Amino acid sequence: DAGVIQSPRHEVTEMGQEVTLRCKPISGHNSLFWYRQTMMRGLELLIYFNNNVPIDDSGMPEDRFSAKMPNASFSTLKIQPSEPRDSAVYFCASSLVRRTSEKLFFGSGTQLSVL
Amino acid sequence: SQQGEEDPQALSIQEGENATMNCSYKTSINNLQWYRQNSGRGLVHLILIRSNEREKHSGRLRVTLDTSKKSSSLLITASRAADTASYFCATDIGSLIQGAQKLVFGQGTRLTINP
Repeated sequence: DAGVIQSPRHEVTEMGQEVTLRCKPISGHNSLFWYRQTMMRGLELLIYFNNNVPIDDSGMPEDRFSAKMPNASFSTLKIQPSEPRDSAVYFCASSLVRRTSEKLFFGSGTQLSVL
Repeated sequence: SQQGEEDPQALSIQEGENATMNCSYKTSINNLQWYRQNSGRGLVHLILIRSNEREKHSGRLRVTLDTSKKSSSLLITASRAADTASYFCATDIGSLIQGAQKLVFGQGTRLTINP
């Protein structure tokens, strides 16, 4: 299995530009998570999906952030417009949840720098 | 505020010694998980302990869970230089009735093993 695949690996953009981060979860997993990691705030849960449906987006910082999961094999996290304070490592993770929750498999992350 | 808090924030020991990291949390949980992160990489799952379990072992890892004190500990025995990494506890506070999990991470303990 290829694991969770994120792209791009690194993204450098200028303030005000739109940024789109992509994630392909592990085949067969039914839950997908977007996290953001910074030195100051640690690892923050932004949003998570179950069976392609957003369950909790209370961690999304503001309206500039949006996430979609059009099908079971693809998700995007979009920031429009981007700001320097959005600079962070963004991780996508997936898991298979049945009657009990299980471990998360993380992608390698996208290092985002907004200048 | 963070659901989980690790203690200590940083730990430096000699190779061969045991390393103990602690985690405290605030709300009731479905399970508690420990993850490891090497610098610049994604998180890797180490061990999961469910709310009705008190202790679990996996190789050189031993995890305890005390739900009455809302705390957990991770013990790494006979540490090796390769164990140098950041270690995070994560609490699952999701609604399994919805078939979803919500994994919230602590700030992590940075462990350094000196050869």
